[in-house]
Amino acid sequence: GESVGLHLPTLSVQEGDNSIINCAYSNSASDYFIWYKQESGKGPQFIIDIRSNMDKRQGQRVTVLLNKTVKHLSLQIAATQPGDSAVYFCAETSSPSGNTPLVFGKGTRLSVIA
Amino acid sequence: GAVVSQHPSRVICKSGTSVKIECRSLDFQATTMFWYRQFPKKSLMLMATSNEGSKATYEQGVEKDKFLINHASLTLSTLTVTSAHPEDSSFYICSARKGQTKLETQYFGPGTRLLVL
Repeated sequence: GESVGLHLPTLSVQEGDNSIINCAYSNSASDYFIWYKQESGKGPQFIIDIRSNMDKRQGQRVTVLLNKTVKHLSLQIAATQPGDSAVYFCAETSSPSGNTPLVFGKGTRLSVIA
Repeated sequence: GAVVSQHPSRVICKSGTSVKIECRSLDFQATTMFWYRQFPKKSLMLMATSNEGSKATYEQGVEKDKFLINHASLTLSTLTVTSAHPEDSSFYICSARKGQTKLETQYFGPGTRLLVL
């Protein structure tokens, strides 16, 4: 079936380095993607989103890249800080009805080493 | 930004009792709210989609008589776990979406941790 998944379940990076979290999706009709950050015991927090008509979008210290050719999505975090330690989920929606839930990937745990 | 609250944040109940969890959008009207369940170290699993003024749409495998959802207003949705059992213990998270299109960001609540003894 259609799915959204992640390449790496865990990622450890040194404080100050850049982090790259990857996500693969299989539904070619997917047209809206979101990255969420979830800290332990809390709900997901919106980080950044991107539409399928874009291939890059930048936020504060974060960049999302979308490669529709290979159905790949990535989240880049610049100058990773201890506060970035969390689980990161990619999510997508693709229904034309406009009232559809998000499909979440499995998540990647980012651990920042001080 | 948009704020979504959940109440209670934690609840412990005895097996066989019912528990109600509230989800509120504090500074916007949410035409659609979603309820998720999350097991430890797992991703979010959608349980149901709740639209104000209409019946909730449940995902396959989710018992609607077990998990009662009421979207009474544009700022409040409730999830009631009826006749709770230990296997219902989980982290329940709601989200709310402002607009009608999927491009409107979903804002998540802080979650409710349910423990059924």
